[in-house]
Amino acid sequence: DVKVTQSSRYLVKRTGEKVFLECVQDMDHENMFWYRQDPGLGLRLIYFSYDVKMKEKGDIPEGYSVSREKKERFSLILESASTNQTSMYLCASSFGGSQNEQYFGPGTRLTVT
Amino acid sequence: SQQGEEDPQALSIQEGENATMNCSYKTSINNLQWYRQNSGRGLVHLILIRSNEREKHSGRLRVTLDTSKKSSSLLITASRAADTASYFCATVYTGTYKYIFGTGTRLKVLA
Repeated sequence: DVKVTQSSRYLVKRTGEKVFLECVQDMDHENMFWYRQDPGLGLRLIYFSYDVKMKEKGDIPEGYSVSREKKERFSLILESASTNQTSMYLCASSFGGSQNEQYFGPGTRLTVT
Repeated sequence: SQQGEEDPQALSIQEGENATMNCSYKTSINNLQWYRQNSGRGLVHLILIRSNEREKHSGRLRVTLDTSKKSSSLLITASRAADTASYFCATVYTGTYKYIFGTGTRLKVLA
């Protein structure tokens, strides 16, 4: 059974803090993704990675960075959290290529105060 | 924006009725996928249809794809209260790895 786990379900941080969101998958997937989900806007892609140490910007990368040092782990970093980064963050993974289903983690609801 | 759009935004039906939701997208795709999200949780993959397919079935789900109209529909037959969720389409545009999600349809099935 594929499992994608995220480090926290709920997180509260202060403006200006550096925030790390961790995602781990156990299916040896090549691709990993970070999305944010906001009401009325659906899911928007922040970054994705198709291999270790490889990353590509999604649609809204500003204010975020990522790290993929190991195949199973993909980290999202908010360098200096701001209130407009309050959102639900979803991690997903899939096998390589673009024809495969994505497996999602349960999400992290981040509040920046 | 490349984001797809779902229609309707919200749908409320009685148990046992069929639910149809639609998705439109903008350019050529490799495939189109449908996902379900229960309240406050991650998304779960339902079905994938490739660009050279026109219809696909999986249990009570039927998906159609019309590439000339750049649209897809998801039909859930004989709906159940447990089908209450948000449904999203995701498109993978030709030549990319990126999955572009629509804004979702919120389905409520009343018992």
